[in-house]
Amino acid sequence: DVKVTQSSRYLVKRTGEKVFLECVQDMDHENMFWYRQDPGLGLRLIYFSYDVKMKEKGDIPEGYSVSREKKERFSLILESASTNQTSMYLCASSPPEWKGTDTQYFGPGTRLTVL
Amino acid sequence: AQTVTQSQPEMSVQEAETVTLSCTYDTSENNYYLFWYKQPPSRQMILVIRQEAYKQQNATENRFSVNFQKAAKSFSLKISDSQLGDTAMYFCAFDRTLYGGATNKLIFGTGTLLAVQP
Repeated sequence: DVKVTQSSRYLVKRTGEKVFLECVQDMDHENMFWYRQDPGLGLRLIYFSYDVKMKEKGDIPEGYSVSREKKERFSLILESASTNQTSMYLCASSPPEWKGTDTQYFGPGTRLTVL
Repeated sequence: AQTVTQSQPEMSVQEAETVTLSCTYDTSENNYYLFWYKQPPSRQMILVIRQEAYKQQNATENRFSVNFQKAAKSFSLKISDSQLGDTAMYFCAFDRTLYGGATNKLIFGTGTLLAVQP
């Protein structure tokens, strides 16, 4: 089974702090994704990476950056956390093409609260 | 723009009954992929079912089936014999294809919270 893990389930940070959210997948997937999930808004794509050191902005990249130094690890960085970044953050991974029953595989999520 | 719309924020169903969750989408592409995901309370999001647009036959996975109406751009999920474990948030998602090719980047609807009542 594919396993996607995230470094923390719950995180509380102060406004202005630099925040790192880590995601690791064990299926050698090329694609990795960061989403934020908010009530009434569904999941929105923040950043996408299709290979090591390759990244692409999603729909809401402002205030975020990412890092992918190794294939299995994709980090989301909040350079200076703000209260409007309080949210649930989901990481996902997938193979490069939709074959068979391929899908995106999700981590358990990190609920971040910025005070 | 490619969009996904789920018009039912919440639904409730009695155990053992059938429920249908609605999803519509908008795209100018001819071939694409559609997905239903399930997010149980405090648990990971998992795939329920997927449909490839070029396939006429509706996808089925055990008690879960879809009604895919390509012309109407509708992709509803039917859950038969509802069980307490089906209580979850359900998201419809669409692969934002580009020039006929899948991008693997999904657009999600806003979700439907389904409660199965005993």
